[in-house]
Amino acid sequence: DADVTQTPRNRITKTGKRIMLECSQTKGHDRMYWYRQDPGLGLRLIYYSFDVKDINKGEISDGYSVSRQAQAKFSLSLESAIPNQTALYFCATSWGPQPQHFGDGTRLSIL
Amino acid sequence: DAKTTQPPSMDCAEGRAANLPCNHSTISGNEYVYWYRQIHSQGPQYIIHGLKNNETNEMASLIITEDRKSSTLILPHATLRDTAVYYCIVEQEYGNKLVFGAGTILRVKS
Repeated sequence: DADVTQTPRNRITKTGKRIMLECSQTKGHDRMYWYRQDPGLGLRLIYYSFDVKDINKGEISDGYSVSRQAQAKFSLSLESAIPNQTALYFCATSWGPQPQHFGDGTRLSIL
Repeated sequence: DAKTTQPPSMDCAEGRAANLPCNHSTISGNEYVYWYRQIHSQGPQYIIHGLKNNETNEMASLIITEDRKSSTLILPHATLRDTAVYYCIVEQEYGNKLVFGAGTILRVKS
């Protein structure tokens, strides 16, 4: 969805580095989400936010943190990256309980 | 764990209807059935969702059995661009915490 922008699209980094993935949206949605996808598997929820002051852990939050800087921006941080965090990361948004709209993903490789 | 069971893969001839099954025998009364698809490694795309009545939109139809323990997504005239992984997800409409299983790989062949 062109209205959900993820940056960077690709990133290669080293173990121990701090990484931030950013997501911005122009849809005016209140809810934002971060997922990761490993090869051959479905997406798993890392964190989600229902508004600017709301942050909730998802299924696999360990090793990650998030910040909802504004309604339109939701960033995901890996404080000290490790190789098993190599994955495809997706941001999604929704208006209330409506279906989610996904960005095009960030491919992260940790060496 | 995902609350749904889907076949790992299916083939469909171009121009024919693609019928993708999903079992969700433990679905509760306030849970909806959602379908998303993922083309190659792009972000998933919402297709359709429903509670108990059959639903149709411009992309697909959703048929839910009377006991709600299974459903079928129907793409009426599959094209090569419909080749994707299709995910069937059960979730409360106000929950939004989607749990993706492995999905069904649909291959549309000419």
